[in-house]
Amino acid sequence: KQEVTQIPAALSVPEGENLVLNCSFTDSAIYNLQWFRQDPGKGLTSLLLIQSSQREQTSGRLNASLDKSSGRSTLYIAASQPGDSATYLCAVPSGNTPLVFGKGTRLSVIA
Amino acid sequence: NAGVTQTPKFRVLKTGQSMTLLCAQDMNHEYMYWYRQDPGMGLRLIHYSVGEGTTAKGEVPDGYNVSRLKKQNFLLGLESAAPSQTSVYFCASSYLQGETEAFFGQGTRLTVV
Repeated sequence: KQEVTQIPAALSVPEGENLVLNCSFTDSAIYNLQWFRQDPGKGLTSLLLIQSSQREQTSGRLNASLDKSSGRSTLYIAASQPGDSATYLCAVPSGNTPLVFGKGTRLSVIA
Repeated sequence: NAGVTQTPKFRVLKTGQSMTLLCAQDMNHEYMYWYRQDPGMGLRLIHYSVGEGTTAKGEVPDGYNVSRLKKQNFLLGLESAAPSQTSVYFCASSYLQGETEAFFGQGTRLTVV
């Protein structure tokens, strides 16, 4: 059974700092890995999708990496802003199983 | 460009009452999913559908039923609501399962008293 773990559970940083969020998964037989953002009381917004054949995917100040063999992904946020404050979730499909989610990292960027 | 739309957004039910949550997507996606999100538990899959007329159980299916009579709609039913079903429910869809991006609705906050 696929299990997804996100560390840390919560993170508070000053504005302007670069930061890394971590995601690990137990079954490396994945098609891809997806990072989402969730604002309080809102739905999930897709940030980045990395295919299993890719090592990195970039969107603006966000960079996601994937090391499938070690079961790890990182989300790098450059020059953090207060508007980046949210919960970040990673999720992987595995075989016939739809997305399995980690419990998320709650990020607070302090102005 | 609606994407995934959930109805209703909020609902309060009494124990034993029934209700149906509606999910509609306008992206012609084959796959649709229902998740529930609870504090400390994360998102857990309730049921999913791989196409019109098909449904399958997820991780926490007990107490729920689903139907996919039309490709664009996926209904989640609670026949006899229980306080343990108090949660935020999210619907999602994707073109292919596991190979393409999944898109989520804004959620339905359900309270069972």
